[in-house]
Amino acid sequence: DQQVKQNSPSLSVQEGRISILNCDYTNSMFDYFLWYKKYPAEGPTFLISISSIKDKNEDGRFTVFLNKSAKHLSLHIVPSQPGDSAVYFCAAETTSGTYKYIFGTGTRLKVLA
Amino acid sequence: KAGVTQTPRYLIKTRGQQVTLSCSPISGHRSVSWYQQTPGQGLQFLFEYFSETQRNKGNFPGRFSGRQFSNSRSEMNVSTLELGDSALYLCASSLGSPEAFFGQGTRLTVV
Repeated sequence: DQQVKQNSPSLSVQEGRISILNCDYTNSMFDYFLWYKKYPAEGPTFLISISSIKDKNEDGRFTVFLNKSAKHLSLHIVPSQPGDSAVYFCAAETTSGTYKYIFGTGTRLKVLA
Repeated sequence: KAGVTQTPRYLIKTRGQQVTLSCSPISGHRSVSWYQQTPGQGLQFLFEYFSETQRNKGNFPGRFSGRQFSNSRSEMNVSTLELGDSALYLCASSLGSPEAFFGQGTRLTVV
């Protein structure tokens, strides 16, 4: 049972344009959602997070939107840069004092120069 | 500030053997979690330790075990290795906020 789903395994975007990565979840008890970026041969790096009580969080070129009614979140990268090419993982957690993340299967983003 | 350190980086083992992986969290972080990454499966949660106690466990067989020491360093052990255990094993540490910091992982190959 995949509680966090990233239905697009890959995405290609031109440099300078917007990249939109999507994530759907099934468990309404999730409190926090996070996005991680992963380069080959490295561990995931935290990118941005959003609390379930918010609908938007912005950090520089990265914005995460949360639609609780649709159980959907998205990561927008504007403008996209070649260095953004990586695998992006969406993760969710319930902050019941423990830190157990449920990850999606990832979306490979390729930004074309 | 040093990041999360995992050793070894690469490991090749034979079916039936056992293996121990090590993780040193960021100084001051008391929560350490372990994940298994395989192609097509994303990151699967194994277990989480906090102050030497296992707080959470994922859906893995009992061959997978772990422990945490008083200095927050953690080890993960897999016994009776199977070919399907070949994966990247990632350790993450957390201070108490939702964000976790990952190590570079240990690539385990079972032959």
